[in-house]
Amino acid sequence: NAGVTQTPKFQVLKTGQSMTLQCAQDMNHNSMYWYRQDPGMGLRLIYYSASEGTTDKGEVPNGYNVSRLNKREFSLRLESAAPSQTSVYFCASSEPGGVSYEQYFGPGTRLTVT
Amino acid sequence: GEDVEQSLFLSVREGDSSVINCTYTDSSSTYLYWYKQEPGAGLQLLTYIFSNMDMKQDQRLTVLLNKKDKHLSLRIADTQTGDSAIYFCAESPGGYQKVTFGTGTKLQVIP
Repeated sequence: NAGVTQTPKFQVLKTGQSMTLQCAQDMNHNSMYWYRQDPGMGLRLIYYSASEGTTDKGEVPNGYNVSRLNKREFSLRLESAAPSQTSVYFCASSEPGGVSYEQYFGPGTRLTVT
Repeated sequence: GEDVEQSLFLSVREGDSSVINCTYTDSSSTYLYWYKQEPGAGLQLLTYIFSNMDMKQDQRLTVLLNKKDKHLSLRIADTQTGDSAIYFCAESPGGYQKVTFGTGTKLQVIP
């Protein structure tokens, strides 16, 4: 099992450009998440999907959109990138009703917006 | 709302014990977690504790929970250079899979 995979690993964008971050999991989990990690701020939830067909805003959704394409895939789109979106983005998945609601994380996408 | 706070940095000598502290605000939290993030990688669950427990021990790791003060700590015995990482405290209300993460504590182990 690959677990949670993310593409790309690194990306540099100019202000105003758009891009989609891809995430896929092979653990048959129902719930998926997108976080951003910034120095001194920990992980902040951007969007999550409790199950296929549903998405909800997290703490910092402005400037982002998501699509839960199917049970395996959850993508994050930046329509018009801004320097404030320079960050490391992590996708995660979990199975509600599990013993601990453990979240499994991908390796991250390091995004720089100039 | 939920808020989880941690100190940003801790430095210890190899072989000593490390204690990483965390405070949280959501008294309804059922699960409290410690995640570890190694350089350039995503987070991995290290251990967790139910809110009806005071202590959990797992090999070199000891988790202590003080519900009255909403204080969680992680003790790593005989700290090794491989323990150098960022450690995140996290909480979630019972039956709900959203998790709130703290700011993370960067542990530096000096040989």
